[in-house]
Amino acid sequence: DGGITQSPKYLFRKEGQNVTLSCEQNLNHDAMYWYRQDPGQGLRLIYYSQIVNDFQKGDIAEGYSVSREKKESFPLTVTSAQKNPTAFYLCASRKDNQETQYFGPGTRLLVL
Amino acid sequence: QKEVEQDPGPLSVPEGAIVSLNCTYSNSAFQYFMWYRQYSRKGPELLMYTYSSGNKEDGRFTAQVDKSSKYISLFIRDSQPSDSATYLCAMSEGNNRLAFGKGNQVVVIP
Repeated sequence: DGGITQSPKYLFRKEGQNVTLSCEQNLNHDAMYWYRQDPGQGLRLIYYSQIVNDFQKGDIAEGYSVSREKKESFPLTVTSAQKNPTAFYLCASRKDNQETQYFGPGTRLLVL
Repeated sequence: QKEVEQDPGPLSVPEGAIVSLNCTYSNSAFQYFMWYRQYSRKGPELLMYTYSSGNKEDGRFTAQVDKSSKYISLFIRDSQPSDSATYLCAMSEGNNRLAFGKGNQVVVIP
């Protein structure tokens, strides 16, 4: 089955800890995106990547980092600099020459 | 003014009614328009995609785009309890980034 997978489904972060959220796609899509969703705020773009080994900051990149070493994978690290990390994190991908994005199932990050 | 405005609701309708959702936007460069459906604690799924102005129909769903008024709509006919979800509008000017509305929660009451 083609699709986007995110893991884990739930993640708990301790104070001062960095955590990494996984996103993998087997759709052969070129671009990948990370969004954060908070109640009442809609989706906000954290980082995106249009090709391997290249990525751009979105609207709320502070406290986050990404890498794109493989076309299929786009992990997101939530660093200790992100002071309010509790949110639902969504990964999406898009095929080149198309505007529609397809989303994974999401990871809910909670702070202990 | 936000780029995309969407009334968050919630909107409650009886089963079988027509659901009418809409978004307004300020960026006249938007030309790609999408509606996503998101069930609770799940990722959004693409429901409808429209390029430029006009109507598009898919089963019980109709998407309308009026670029002159900067207004898009989604209609759900014969609504079912399974249509209870949050509906997100999204749009792009072709720069590989989407601007999203905040989402409109819909509850279909059996």
